[in-house]
Amino acid sequence: QSVLTQPPSASGTPWQRLTISCSGSSSNIGRNSVNWYQQLSGTAPKLLIYSDNQRPSGVPDRFSGSKSGTSASLAISGLQSEDEADYYCAAWDDNMMALVFGGGTKLTVL
Amino acid sequence: QVQLVQSGAEMRKPGASVKVSCKASGYTFTSYDINWARQATGQGLEWMGWVTPNTGNTGYAQKFQGRVTMTRSTSTSTAYMELSSLTSDDTAIYYCARFEGGQQQLGRFDYWGQGTLVTVSS
Repeated sequence: QSVLTQPPSASGTPWQRLTISCSGSSSNIGRNSVNWYQQLSGTAPKLLIYSDNQRPSGVPDRFSGSKSGTSASLAISGLQSEDEADYYCAAWDDNMMALVFGGGTKLTVL
Repeated sequence: QVQLVQSGAEMRKPGASVKVSCKASGYTFTSYDINWARQATGQGLEWMGWVTPNTGNTGYAQKFQGRVTMTRSTSTSTAYMELSSLTSDDTAIYYCARFEGGQQQLGRFDYWGQGTLVTVSS
């Protein structure tokens, strides 16, 4: 069981807006930055969102992040077929003294 | 451009050790920590620890304490992760990643290696 909880799957149709949740606790999301990673099939993860809501250069503004209390969310607007991937949230946990990942959410574009 | 290039796939028997390398280029190697994570087939990501290239300091996830050693060579801009006493549960893709942002609480992995498959089987 992962320390950060994500839904195992999500799906949407092209152009739809969709959110993926990531639930944690006061020792991780509640205190520290949340990052999101996108992993396309058979490839290494890629940084998608950092510091809760910042996009690295080159990431489309269709992707956005937010955080409230001990939960974070990744929103994807204008869903596209190339967004089909696994999405992972991550945060440092002060109690475990470890970086913890969510279990990942597999996004399917119908 | 920043690149992290990892060594090739490895196969080991239970009880053996494996050492994976991660060669960095396109930036000053000693300016960023290198972290390691792994991913078993069909599973999520699991963080293993980090090495600070400038000092050689390391930090490991409790799960791997005593079994993992992370080192670096500044002359070749290469980081290494060695895992010992392998079991079939260690079969996974191992990734190195550059850590950007200073403190662990605030930073992120901005560049990743391509991954190295380690298979443990008798």
